[in-house]
Amino acid sequence: QVQLVQSGAEVKNPGSSVKVSCKASGDTFRTSAINWVRQAPGQGLEWMGGIIPSFGPAKYAQKFQGRVTIIADGSTGTADMELISVRSDDTAVYYCATNTLSSSLRHGFDIWGQGTLVTVSS
Amino acid sequence: QSVLTQPPSASGTPGQRVTISCSGGNSNIGNNYVYWYQQFAGAAPKLLISTNDQRPSGVPDRFSGSKSGTSASLAITGLRSEDEADYYCAAWDDSLNGWVFGGGTKVTVL
Repeated sequence: QVQLVQSGAEVKNPGSSVKVSCKASGDTFRTSAINWVRQAPGQGLEWMGGIIPSFGPAKYAQKFQGRVTIIADGSTGTADMELISVRSDDTAVYYCATNTLSSSLRHGFDIWGQGTLVTVSS
Repeated sequence: QSVLTQPPSASGTPGQRVTISCSGGNSNIGNNYVYWYQQFAGAAPKLLISTNDQRPSGVPDRFSGSKSGTSASLAITGLRSEDEADYYCAAWDDSLNGWVFGGGTKVTVL
């Protein structure tokens, strides 16, 4: 059974960048899509983007184009999400999520990481 | 403002049936699968319903999903106290070329 383990909580100053990592244990996601979803305090879920490690560049939500970069290494089972020029409204829990049965970004997520709290504050 | 529309809350007494609606459009629900996620406070979301109406292994059959046109719904029959959680619908959107979620529905067991 695949598990996704994310890096620890971060506190960042406005204008800086943050990188959150996600590592698959139990198996690698060589051909599985990895997505990043965030949730601001008391708010709903918001998709940021996704990537299929063996199939090329990531796809991003329009809202985050130019500010987010997602990379993944299928051979090591790791994925990173970097958000630049962070501001207070980027304070949220960031989740990585995958579909272990599909290599398509268009299929829902059956495994989620535990979440990483990113706090943006001066 | 979420692309998919859900009621913010739903409630019922133990044993009752509760339904949650999810309304979208042709570019998302109308042309793609709907997924439902359950989220307890302080925890990561969990897949509850896959591809419109399929329950992953381990999900009780009290939970069921359906889809018709550009709308979908989640039904919880035999409501139990442990079903108190937030529920989100989601679908791929062909126009946005990405995932869209409903705003979430908080289920309360009275």
